[in-house]
Amino acid sequence: AQSVTQPDIHITVSEGASLELRCNYSYGATPYLFWYVQSPGQGLQLLLKYFSGDTLVQGIKGFEAEFKRSQSSFNLRKPSVHWSDAAEYFCAVGGASGGSYIPTFGRGTSLIVHP
Amino acid sequence: DVKVTQSSRYLVKRTGEKVFLECVQDMDHENMFWYRQDPGLGLRLIYFSYDVKMKEKGDIPEGYSVSREKKERFSLILESASTNQTSMYLCASSFLGGSFDEQFFGPGTRLTVL
Repeated sequence: AQSVTQPDIHITVSEGASLELRCNYSYGATPYLFWYVQSPGQGLQLLLKYFSGDTLVQGIKGFEAEFKRSQSSFNLRKPSVHWSDAAEYFCAVGGASGGSYIPTFGRGTSLIVHP
Repeated sequence: DVKVTQSSRYLVKRTGEKVFLECVQDMDHENMFWYRQDPGLGLRLIYFSYDVKMKEKGDIPEGYSVSREKKERFSLILESASTNQTSMYLCASSFLGGSFDEQFFGPGTRLTVL
């Protein structure tokens, strides 16, 4: 069965600082990986996704993520955080599993940005 | 602009009431999903549908049912609402196999059961 772990429940950074949100996955084959962001009171929006090819993926809002097969990780990064980045971030892994094609989400990491 | 819309942003119901949450997508997606979101638990799948009149149970289907009579509309039904169903409910849709393409989410319905 596929699973996703986001080890950090909360992350606090200062505006302008760099950011890395961790995501570890478990999946038996090549995974399909996603990062979503949820702003307060909103639904989820896709930031970026990885299917194959270049392991460094660029997304919207200046975010990027790197797929590392050896570490089963897909960490999200941003070089300089803005106050508007304060939100909940979800990592998800997708793939065929037991006949289902349902993505599995992590529990989320809440990003707090200090001025 | 592609959209997933949910009938209500906020809903307050009483214990025992029958509750309908409606979701409509305009992207001609085959797959539609209902999730429940609770603090510290992330998104938990209640039901999903891969075609009209087709449905599959997710991880937490107890106390819920769904209906998909038209491709664009997916309804979540709480037959007899209980206080432990107070939560944020998110609808999503996707093309192809769900896992292989991104999901598009609605804004959510925050349901309070008194």
